[in-house]
Amino acid sequence: SQQGEEDPQALSIQEGENATMNCSYKTSINNLQWYRQNSGRGLVHLILIRSNEREKHSGRLRVTLDTSKKSSSLLITASRAADTASYFCATSGTYKYIFGTGTRLKVLA
Amino acid sequence: DVKVTQSSRYLVKRTGEKVFLECVQDMDHENMFWYRQDPGLGLRLIYFSYDVKMKEKGDIPEGYSVSREKKERFSLILESASTNQTSMYLCASSLPRLESAQYFGPGTRLLVL
Repeated sequence: SQQGEEDPQALSIQEGENATMNCSYKTSINNLQWYRQNSGRGLVHLILIRSNEREKHSGRLRVTLDTSKKSSSLLITASRAADTASYFCATSGTYKYIFGTGTRLKVLA
Repeated sequence: DVKVTQSSRYLVKRTGEKVFLECVQDMDHENMFWYRQDPGLGLRLIYFSYDVKMKEKGDIPEGYSVSREKKERFSLILESASTNQTSMYLCASSLPRLESAQYFGPGTRLLVL
């Protein structure tokens, strides 16, 4: 069963703008991770946030986690054309990760 | 540089054929995973392995089996391919800790005719 659901399903922005993607999940988690997938390729790990953390930064990425609302957001600042990809959240409970359906981000030059 | 490789990028098979998809990782990871990815459904876990010769069913194991004879290699087997197994198959590996990132291979796009 899918646990993570990303919103929006698709997002199109201009280069230089910020992009925000949201993820909602259903049960308790140990941590939440975000991955990027370029067209037709494998996924690449971006950032992990633990259940006891509220915010985390990595370069142009900012992730927030609200365990009371069972939601997370990924903010990409000053987006570039190279950020065009699908972004997935993955939640970790016990022994496995559950991936959402992804947000397709298109950054227009 | 960490690496997960998959035996084929594209594969075309006929209904009823036995299909082998192989995955090799060079990071000495204990955990290995097989997912399939379909539009609108995201990634769904087929099987995973936490050690040599150990395997656990994921969310959609029907029609698939796996083999892990060596730590670095995890094979996915479609016993009798069917058209509804046409999909993108992704292999991943990770350390056994829950906070470990998963490292993915490039994927195999399988078409069953």
